[in-house]
Amino acid sequence: EAQVTQNPRYLITVTGKKLTVTCSQNMNHEYMSWYRQDPGLGLRQIYYSMNVEVTDKGDVPEGYKVSRKEKRNFPLILESPSPNQTSLYFCASSFDSNYGYTFGSGTRLTVV
Amino acid sequence: AQSVTQLDSQVPVFEEAPVELRCNYSSSVSVYLFWYVQYPNQGLQLLLKYLSGSTLVKGINGFEAEFNKSQTSFHLRKPSVHISDTAEYFCALFYNQGGKLIFGQGTELSVKP
Repeated sequence: EAQVTQNPRYLITVTGKKLTVTCSQNMNHEYMSWYRQDPGLGLRQIYYSMNVEVTDKGDVPEGYKVSRKEKRNFPLILESPSPNQTSLYFCASSFDSNYGYTFGSGTRLTVV
Repeated sequence: AQSVTQLDSQVPVFEEAPVELRCNYSSSVSVYLFWYVQYPNQGLQLLLKYLSGSTLVKGINGFEAEFNKSQTSFHLRKPSVHISDTAEYFCALFYNQGGKLIFGQGTELSVKP
């Protein structure tokens, strides 16, 4: 089944403890992207990637890192999480701009 | 700069009534436009998209949208809604600069019996 898989689905962590949210797609898509969703703000792009080893900042990149060493994987790294990073995170992938993005099921992160 | 504005944060409607969810966009370059739906506790699912050509596009679940370049709008419509259409709907704009998809704030559609 074609899909974008994120793990974990739920995560509660403490301020400052490094964490990684994994994202994997099995559709051989070129584009991958990370979004955070907050009430009243819609979805805001954190980072995106056009291909392996090519990443760029979205609208809200502060406090996040990404890497694209393989085409299928695009992990999101929070080196030192803070409570304002409590949010619902979505990974998405796309073949190209004509197709729209396919989204994962989301990761609900709480930083206390 | 590109931006998307959804004009209604919440739209309550009775079952079998028609509905329109409004979306305006701003862009100085050509864009692609999308509508996504998010059911409770789920990810986003693509409803429909406008790339070029006919300004009336049809999507899944009986939804359609009309692209209006002069009014920079891309409103979503359904002639008769069902309870199962209760969800949050997002309008999004894509411009060809490295995969950047910009979302509106979302509209919560609540269908009542």
